[in-house]
Amino acid sequence: NAGVTQTPKFQVLKTGQSMTLQCAQDMNHNSMYWYRQDPGMGLRLIYYSASEGTTDKGEVPNGYNVSRLNKREFSLRLESAAPSQTSVYFCASGVNYGYTFGSGTRLTVV
Amino acid sequence: KNEVEQSPQNLTAQEGEFITINCSYSVGISALHWLQQHPGGGIVSLFMLSSGKKKHGRLIATINIQEKHSSLHITASHPRDSAVYICAVRSGETSGSRLTFGEGTQLTVNP
Repeated sequence: NAGVTQTPKFQVLKTGQSMTLQCAQDMNHNSMYWYRQDPGMGLRLIYYSASEGTTDKGEVPNGYNVSRLNKREFSLRLESAAPSQTSVYFCASGVNYGYTFGSGTRLTVV
Repeated sequence: KNEVEQSPQNLTAQEGEFITINCSYSVGISALHWLQQHPGGGIVSLFMLSSGKKKHGRLIATINIQEKHSSLHITASHPRDSAVYICAVRSGETSGSRLTFGEGTQLTVNP
């Protein structure tokens, strides 16, 4: 099925560990996004990529890095995880008329 | 004050009731989106509006650009409509423009 595939679905990390969240879309969208969702707050933009080869910071980029590997793939890396990064992460891709979201990654940093 | 405010935060209804969720925003926008987040966590895009009104099945979304306000209506509500409904606005014209999200409205429809 067409859409956004995000992996893993769940992850537990120890403080200081690193990990990469993977995201791939097969809809030929130029724009891709990484969001985090925390209780009592709306989705917040971490990083986005308006097109292949470009990335830009969102509202909450500290502690994260991204790579737009090609048009399909946009990965999010936590170099040294902190408990404050415990959250649910969503990847999305979009065009002017709508967005498609991945199923989310529930990350716990202990 | 958040740029996107939704009301109510929580809403409980009986099956069959007409439901309205409101969204107010304080910035200039190029489009407004309504999203649905299922209990399992997945997010689905329901509508994208830049003016007027859109209808899809039992869902109707309206926007008043002058008043900076949008509403999502659900007619003949059903327990399967139970979800979090999220309003998001896009302030730029290009597909790279970021969305700003409201905190969401938790809807519970009881049988």
